[in-house]
Amino acid sequence: GNSVTQMEGPVTLSEEAFLTINCTYTATGYPSLFWYVQYPGEGLQLLLKATKADDKGSNKGFEATYRKETTSFHLEKGSVQVSDSAVYFCALSDRRGATNKLIFGTGTLLAVQP
Amino acid sequence: EAGVTQFPSHSVIEKGQTVTLRCDPISGHDNLYWYRRVMGKEIKFLLHFVKESKQDESGMPNNRFLAERTGGTYSTLKVQPAELEDSGVYFCASSQGIGTGDTQYFGPGTRLTVL
Repeated sequence: GNSVTQMEGPVTLSEEAFLTINCTYTATGYPSLFWYVQYPGEGLQLLLKATKADDKGSNKGFEATYRKETTSFHLEKGSVQVSDSAVYFCALSDRRGATNKLIFGTGTLLAVQP
Repeated sequence: EAGVTQFPSHSVIEKGQTVTLRCDPISGHDNLYWYRRVMGKEIKFLLHFVKESKQDESGMPNNRFLAERTGGTYSTLKVQPAELEDSGVYFCASSQGIGTGDTQYFGPGTRLTVL
């Protein structure tokens, strides 16, 4: 079945460091891919998404490119801030018939230190 | 526009008791989903409503879990009787449609602890 594999955390970085969180997927067909973020004490928020191969999603300085050849959707940011500290979840849409559930990775905790 | 809301934010109950979680989706969203995250693992799908109908309940763990969506508005998820392994964070999400352009918007979650 469809699945998402995400790099283990926690990831600890200093402010202004470069961030990469790896995400690979297994899927039949062509799912949409997502990164969700959960800030402390808050719910899940959509960070960015890509709906087809070679699409690049971007938001708040974060980027991820839908790579079909490597089945990957790695999240990157050039310069992280303390306010980026959160749990990041990679997900794909599993659309079958009239339902479209999300399949998530385990989440990666990012801690950015000043 | 109000987002997805969930109540309560936290619930602590003893094994064998009953708990009911509530989710209010974004107004006008026909699609409502329940997910849960257990013990820091991945977030897993439980079920999907379209209006008041259960479209997909393949993720429901067992018959101790009962979800309803009366009138196609808010939804409840009842766990009866609760077991220790039911502890986790229960998320609700809603979307307008199920196409590639439709985003699932999540609520803040209900943290359930079963002692």
